[in-house]
Amino acid sequence: DVKVTQSSRYLVKRTGEKVFLECVQDMDHENMFWYRQDPGLGLRLIYFSYDVKMKEKGDIPEGYSVSREKKERFSLILESASTNQTSMYLCASSSPGTGSNEQYFGPGTRLTVT
Amino acid sequence: AQSVTQPDIHITVSEGASLELRCNYSYGATPYLFWYVQSPGQGLQLLLKYFSGDTLVQGIKGFEAEFKRSQSSFNLRKPSVHWSDAAEYFCAVGSNTGFQKLVFGTGTRLLVSP
Repeated sequence: DVKVTQSSRYLVKRTGEKVFLECVQDMDHENMFWYRQDPGLGLRLIYFSYDVKMKEKGDIPEGYSVSREKKERFSLILESASTNQTSMYLCASSSPGTGSNEQYFGPGTRLTVT
Repeated sequence: AQSVTQPDIHITVSEGASLELRCNYSYGATPYLFWYVQSPGQGLQLLLKYFSGDTLVQGIKGFEAEFKRSQSSFNLRKPSVHWSDAAEYFCAVGSNTGFQKLVFGTGTRLLVSP
């Protein structure tokens, strides 16, 4: 079974702090994704990566950056957290080899910025 | 650009009754289509997927969905709902080219009444 893990289930940070959200997958997947989920808005793609050290902006990259130094790990960075970044953050991975775009999700990190 | 519409924000169904959740997509070619379920506080779990072949697809937990190209729809159905089906359901569309991104609908929250 594919396993995607996220470093924290709940996180509380102060405005202006630098925040790191970590995601690790154990299935050797090439693609990894970061989404944020807000009520009524569904899942919105922040960034994705299709290979080590490669990244592409998603639909809402402003205020975020990412890092992928190893294939299994994809980090989301909030350089200076703001209250409007309070949200649920979901990480996912997939492999082009499956041919079907199926993404496997982690349990999510609920981030509160005060 | 791809898009997904889930017109129902909330649906309440009596336990044992049938269920249909609506999903309409916009995509120029044959899409990859997915239904995911999210239980409270959890990540997303794949229920079923369509990318070719038989337009009626079976998934886990007794769910099925039918791809109707003429209506650009991929509605999710279950003949008899159980209380444990209460969750949020997301429809997603992906392309068979590019970086395997998915576009998600805004979700439908299913409530099951006794």
